[in-house]
Amino acid sequence: EPEVTQTPSHQVTQMGQEVILRCVPISNHLYFYWYRQILGQKVEFLVSFYNNEISEKSEIFDDQFSVERPDGSNFTLKIRSTKLEDSAMYFCASRDSDLNIQYFGAGTRLSVL
Amino acid sequence: KNEVEQSPQNLTAQEGEFITINCSYSVGISALHWLQQHPGGGIVSLFMLSSGKKKHGRLIATINIQEKHSSLHITASHPRDSAVYICAVMIYNQGGKLIFGQGTELSVKP
Repeated sequence: EPEVTQTPSHQVTQMGQEVILRCVPISNHLYFYWYRQILGQKVEFLVSFYNNEISEKSEIFDDQFSVERPDGSNFTLKIRSTKLEDSAMYFCASRDSDLNIQYFGAGTRLSVL
Repeated sequence: KNEVEQSPQNLTAQEGEFITINCSYSVGISALHWLQQHPGGGIVSLFMLSSGKKKHGRLIATINIQEKHSSLHITASHPRDSAVYICAVMIYNQGGKLIFGQGTELSVKP
């Protein structure tokens, strides 16, 4: 069964460093999403991406965040200068245009020290 | 006010019991998801509903659009059902983003 793949599974970084979280969505899907979950809290929407551009972003998704689909298969989330409060589990999801089901990756646990 | 509310927040059951988790939402939606999250953190989609009822094995999900309410039922619960169950709604005409409830942590004891 096709799946969404995220790498790395765990990323440890120092405050102020840049991180790139990577996702490979399901190949025929057209809509892509990033969500995050701070430990003990609910999952929150960050950004949606369609047709090579951001379609919607939340208040959390400020200038420190960016997304890119550099090569038609990968979908990346970059945090330019990480803060302690960026520590969370980050989930990538994708869906196709016909169904509303979103398929989630296993997540990347980001720890900012 | 949260747009998606789940109850209960925590639930402990004995193996074999019938379990119900409820979800209420306050916005117009195009679909509702029930998701399962295991201790490792990964999220799996169980159901997507826009009306009526769906069944998969021992899991049943229902939705009442007029009352803005959905339920997830687990029949003959088993310890392997222990997980966090999350309700998430896809808001109408907002590109498919999901708004999540806070989750219900289910523990099924043998």
